[in-house]
Amino acid sequence: AQTVTQSQPEMSVQEAETVTLSCTYDTSENNYYLFWYKQPPSRQMILVIRQEAYKQQNATENRFSVNFQKAAKSFSLKISDSQLGDTAMYFCAFMKGINTNAGKSTFGDGTTLTVKP
Amino acid sequence: DVKVTQSSRYLVKRTGEKVFLECVQDMDHENMFWYRQDPGLGLRLIYFSYDVKMKEKGDIPEGYSVSREKKERFSLILESASTNQTSMYLCASSFRQPQHFGDGTRLSIL
Repeated sequence: AQTVTQSQPEMSVQEAETVTLSCTYDTSENNYYLFWYKQPPSRQMILVIRQEAYKQQNATENRFSVNFQKAAKSFSLKISDSQLGDTAMYFCAFMKGINTNAGKSTFGDGTTLTVKP
Repeated sequence: DVKVTQSSRYLVKRTGEKVFLECVQDMDHENMFWYRQDPGLGLRLIYFSYDVKMKEKGDIPEGYSVSREKKERFSLILESASTNQTSMYLCASSFRQPQHFGDGTRLSIL
């Protein structure tokens, strides 16, 4: 079974600064996806960024980027130029395979990020 | 955009009641999921379905059942609600990946 560990239950950052959220996972699979989802207070959870394990290049979406270290099984999220709207709970998630398991994912416990003005 | 709609944002029920949580998606996704979210425990998968009338147990299926009679609708049923089922329930759907989530139902069992 896969496990996903987010070691930082809570973090804070000043507006406009950079913050990195950590995620490690454990798997024996070679093909998988990794995701970061964002859940703002009382709002819907949405996808922030995804990474395919077979791709060496780190994924980037505007101010959000990942540091994917496959050998170390590490998948951290970097948020640059933090904004007040980035305040949310962030979940790291793992999905094994590409065409299997009906898209079932394993989630970490979440990191609550607070952006301070 | 994918729309996943959960029937209630807040729900209060009594111990022993049969409770239905409904979820509808509008993107013809094969896969649908029910999670519960508790502080410090992340998202835990209760049940998922990869096709009409198909279902598979997740990590914590005890005390729950599901129904998927139509592709767009996935219902979570608490057969006899108990106080330890007080939680936030999230529905999601997907075609492969990623998952698209509803707004959640905060269920309180008194």
